Amino acid sequence: NAGVTQTPKFRVLKTGQSMTLLCAQDMNHEYMYWYRQDPGMGLRLIHYSVGEGTTAKGEVPDGYNVSRLKKQNFLLGLESAAPSQTSVYFCASSYPTLDRVGANVLTFGAGSRLTVL
Amino acid sequence: AQTVTQSQPEMSVQEAETVTLSCTYDTSESDYYLFWYKQPPSRQMILVIRQEAYKQQNATENRFSVNFQKAAKSFSLKISDSQLGDAAMYFCAYRNPVEIAGNMLTFGGGTRLMVKP
Repeated sequence: NAGVTQTPKFRVLKTGQSMTLLCAQDMNHEYMYWYRQDPGMGLRLIHYSVGEGTTAKGEVPDGYNVSRLKKQNFLLGLESAAPSQTSVYFCASSYPTLDRVGANVLTFGAGSRLTVL
Repeated sequence: AQTVTQSQPEMSVQEAETVTLSCTYDTSESDYYLFWYKQPPSRQMILVIRQEAYKQQNATENRFSVNFQKAAKSFSLKISDSQLGDAAMYFCAYRNPVEIAGNMLTFGGGTRLMVKP
C-alpha cells in the first residue's frame, strides 16, 4: 500500500542517548515534514524538506537534526535526547500546492511515540 | 507567522445530534488552504474536509460541512447525525500557498470530541 511509513513506532531512551527516526514515502512527493505532537499544542513543525538534499528549520527545531539524502526518505535525529523531547512524532509528505484540483493534501505516517527518561 | 486557534479543548454531543467545532486563524495571505483532520485513538491523522480560500462555496463531505468566513478568518466544522465513530481529536489546520517556502501546515491545538450513546 502506498503511503508514509515511520520506524520505529515506539522507543524509550535515556537522557543523553541518541537515536534516528526514519520516514519513508513511496508517492514520489517532493515535500516532507517532521512534526511533534504534545497535549494541548497540536502538531508543531520541527523541520521540513522541499526536495532531495535540502532541509530547513520549522517552528521547534532545537535539539533535532534532519537529512534528506534520498527523495523518498527523511530522517530525524536526536543527538542527545532530553525529557522535553518526549512526544509523538509524525512524518508527512506532499506535492507542492501547485495543483488546485488535488495535490495539496499532506499524507501522514502513523506516528512514533518517543519517551525520554 | 500564521496561527490557528481552537478555543474548545473538549466538546460532547449526543449520538445522532449535530455539533460544531470552532476554528479561527490569522494570516496576511489571500490565497491559502484550510483543513480539518481527525485523529482517532489509533493516532492516524485522517483528512476530513478541506477548503480553498479562493472558493466562496463552503465544502461538504457527506455528514461533514464547514462554515468558511474569510473576512472573519473563521473556519468551523459541522458534524451532522453524529456517530460513535466520530469520537476523536479534531485538528484545524492552515496551509500556506506554495509561494511561501515550505508550503507547510500549521495546526490548532485540537478539540476532543466525545459522542454519547
